[in-house]
Amino acid sequence: ETGVTQTPRHLVMGMTNKKSLKCEQHLGHNAMYWYKQSAKKPLELMFVYNFKEQTENNSVPSRFSPECPNSSHLFLHLHTLQPEDSALYLCASSQERLAGGTGANVLTFGAGSRLTVL
Amino acid sequence: GQNIDQPTEMTATEGAIVQINCTYQTSGFNGLFWYQQHAGEAPTFLSYNVLDGLEEKGRFSSFLSRSKGYSYLLLKELQMKDSASYLCAVLAGNTPLVFGKGTRLSVIA
Repeated sequence: ETGVTQTPRHLVMGMTNKKSLKCEQHLGHNAMYWYKQSAKKPLELMFVYNFKEQTENNSVPSRFSPECPNSSHLFLHLHTLQPEDSALYLCASSQERLAGGTGANVLTFGAGSRLTVL
Repeated sequence: GQNIDQPTEMTATEGAIVQINCTYQTSGFNGLFWYQQHAGEAPTFLSYNVLDGLEEKGRFSSFLSRSKGYSYLLLKELQMKDSASYLCAVLAGNTPLVFGKGTRLSVIA
């Protein structure tokens, strides 16, 4: 267990469905992130939250909607997705969003949610 | 923007040494990270370099040359369990970590 828990681990959905991915961290971190990992592509940053406030939206389509009710929980709400959205969605947390030095910037990742859109 | 380049795949023999290179182009460099990711698992932190030189941690070492925009991860005494993807990531300016595509390492007997 990495300290960052993601559910569900696997999700299959149709293009008209609405579903949500959940992330929970037990590390006392203040920053949380959503990354998308597709085959043969680098990890793509989607959203960043720092102290529950969204600080980055990396030009993500509105069919992905994040929610951060508190510093320990992060959701990604999904609706009317496309087949090309099929990927591994990784949640991560860090002590602070940006600060000098190693400790504050080390990202701790969850194991990911494997999404398949039919 | 940032450009991070690393080989797509490498193969090495159990017990050998392998070096995985990473080159980057960025402004406002604040540090370089290496992560290990086994198939189906979370990426895990391996090393962080912000100053030039070699950082050693057991069988793994990481090197950085800021003037050349170059880093490598050195794995010694390779074991089968080292088969994984190795991700190079750069912290620069005011942006969160940007990752390369990763290098898939296969360790064979």
